[in-house]
Amino acid sequence: DVKVTQSSRYLVKRTGEKVFLECVQDMDHENMFWYRQDPGLGLRLIYFSYDVKMKEKGDIPEGYSVSREKKERFSLILESASTNQTSMYLCASSPPGLAGAHEQFFGPGTRLTVL
Amino acid sequence: AQSVAQPEDQVNVAEGNPLTVKCTYSVSGNPYLFWYVQYPNRGLQFLLKYITGDNLVKGSYGFEAEFNKSQTSFHLKKPSALVSDSALYFCAVRAYNTDKLIFGTGTRLQVFP
Repeated sequence: DVKVTQSSRYLVKRTGEKVFLECVQDMDHENMFWYRQDPGLGLRLIYFSYDVKMKEKGDIPEGYSVSREKKERFSLILESASTNQTSMYLCASSPPGLAGAHEQFFGPGTRLTVL
Repeated sequence: AQSVAQPEDQVNVAEGNPLTVKCTYSVSGNPYLFWYVQYPNRGLQFLLKYITGDNLVKGSYGFEAEFNKSQTSFHLKKPSALVSDSALYFCAVRAYNTDKLIFGTGTRLQVFP
């Protein structure tokens, strides 16, 4: 089974702090994704990486950056956390190819609260 | 613009009754459609997908979905609901010619005993 793990289930940070959210997958997938989930808004894509050191902005990249130094690990960085970044953050991975026919595999999520 | 809509925020159904969770889409090209389920405080779990072929797709936990091209819909169904089916359900469509998915806003399914 594919396993996607996220470094924390719950995280509380203060405004202005730099925050790192880590995601690791064990199935050698090229694609990795970071989403945020908010009630009534569904999942919104923050960043997408299709290979090591390759990244692409999603729909809501402002205030976030990412790092993909190794294939299995995809980090989301909040350079200066703000209260409007309080949310559930979900990481996912998928194999490439078949032009998007593969499903994505999700981690358990990190619920981030910024005070 | 590509999009997916889940018109119902919540669906209530009695245990043992059939359930339907609705999804409509708007895409360029052939639609690749997915359903996911999220239990409380968990990540999303894949249920089923339509890529091509038979319009009726069977998935996990007894769920199925029917692809209807003329109505641009991909409704999720189950013949007999269980209380344990209570969860948040997301429909998603592949963004044209990419590996990215566009998600709907989710529908909360509540199954009452």
